[in-house]
Order: sequence, then C-alpha cells, then structure tokens
Amino acid sequence: LAKTTQPISMDSYEGQEVNITCSHNNIATNDYITWYQQFPSQGPRFIIQGYKTKVTNEVASLFIPADRKSSTLSLPRVSLSDTAVYYCLVGDKGNTGFQKLVFGTGTRLLVSP
Amino acid sequence: EAQVTQNPRYLITVTGKKLTVTCSQNMNHEYMSWYRQDPGLGLRQIYYSMNVEVTDKGDVPEGYKVSRKEKRNFPLILESPSPNQTSLYFCASSPRPGEVWSPLHFGNGTRLTVT
Repeated sequence: LAKTTQPISMDSYEGQEVNITCSHNNIATNDYITWYQQFPSQGPRFIIQGYKTKVTNEVASLFIPADRKSSTLSLPRVSLSDTAVYYCLVGDKGNTGFQKLVFGTGTRLLVSP
Repeated sequence: EAQVTQNPRYLITVTGKKLTVTCSQNMNHEYMSWYRQDPGLGLRQIYYSMNVEVTDKGDVPEGYKVSRKEKRNFPLILESPSPNQTSLYFCASSPRPGEVWSPLHFGNGTRLTVT
C-alpha cells in the first residue's frame, strides 16, 4: 500500500525558493506522482505531475530520483499567495485491481513578508 | 464552464437522519471520488468509482454509501449520520482511470455538521 510522508509545515519568506519533499517508499512501477495545492475552504488544485527525473511547468518543478522513493516539489520565488497546504499524491491499487489515490497529510507552507 | 458541483455547501443535521450530498461533473469524466478532510488528518478517500456501476472502498468507507448510476453523478449517502462524520467533504473527478492519472478536479466542498 503506497503511502506518502511529508513535513507537517514549512516557513519561508517572499522571494525565496521552497522545496517540499515527499517520501513514498512503496511506490508501484506504474504510479505517477502528483502534487496539489489547497487554500482554506477550497478544493485542492493540481500543480504538477511526473513519473521520473524532472518536470517543470509555469508554476513549479518536480524532481524525482531514479529510485522514485521520494519526490521534491520546488516553488521558485514564492509570494504571500503561495501560502497553502501542499499534498503529494501517488496511485495505489484497490481491491478491484483498479488504482485508487492516496493523499499524504500535506505540508502547510507559510510565506511571510 | 468545466466544473465539479457539490450540493449543499453547508449542511447541519441531527444524528440518525439520512442525508445525501450530491456531486455532479460536466466533463464526461470516468473517475469520481469522495474525500473527507479533518484537521490534522489531511484528505482521506471514502469511496471511488472508475465508471458507471463500478465503485470501490477508499480508506474510510464505514458509515457511507455511494452509487454511480450515471456517469456525471456520484452521490454520497449517509444512512445514519453520527457526530464523528462531521467534516469537510470533497468530490473529485478525473478523465481517465488506469495507470496514468490525469489530474483530479475538485468541487468546492460540503461542510457537514452532525449534532
């Protein structure tokens, strides 16, 4: 059963780069790693997804080492509006053989002026 | 506009009174899922559905039922709600099941209070 482990919270300042690491030791061969952002009283929002090596989009970068047992979400030059909870997500097979999704506990990022 | 719509947004009820939280998506997604969110516990999956008439338990299915009679709708049913089901609930959908996951689209949540 794939589970994820993330730091509970992180603090940063505006303009800094923030790296949030997620551990997923039991990730399956075909699982992808996905990160979501959640603001209070809103549903999570997709940020980035990857399988291995590095993925970059207009919002963030995702680094995945060769063994895929962990991944790191990198947010360049954060602003106050990046204050949110960030979830790491990997796929997992359910009883029917279909995949089900397992969220981590999330990392609460606080960006200060 | 592509979206996942949950209703109601807020619900206060009493123990034992059956209730249904509706979820509808207009994106023709095959995968739908329900999550509950509690302080300190993050998002936990209740049930998910890979397609019409195909559902499976998530991590915390006790006390909940679901049905998937139509592709667009995935209601969450609490037959006899209890105070420990007081929580923030999210419905989500995704276009493709299988091994390569497309991003989940979440609704805006339903805050349920059971007294």
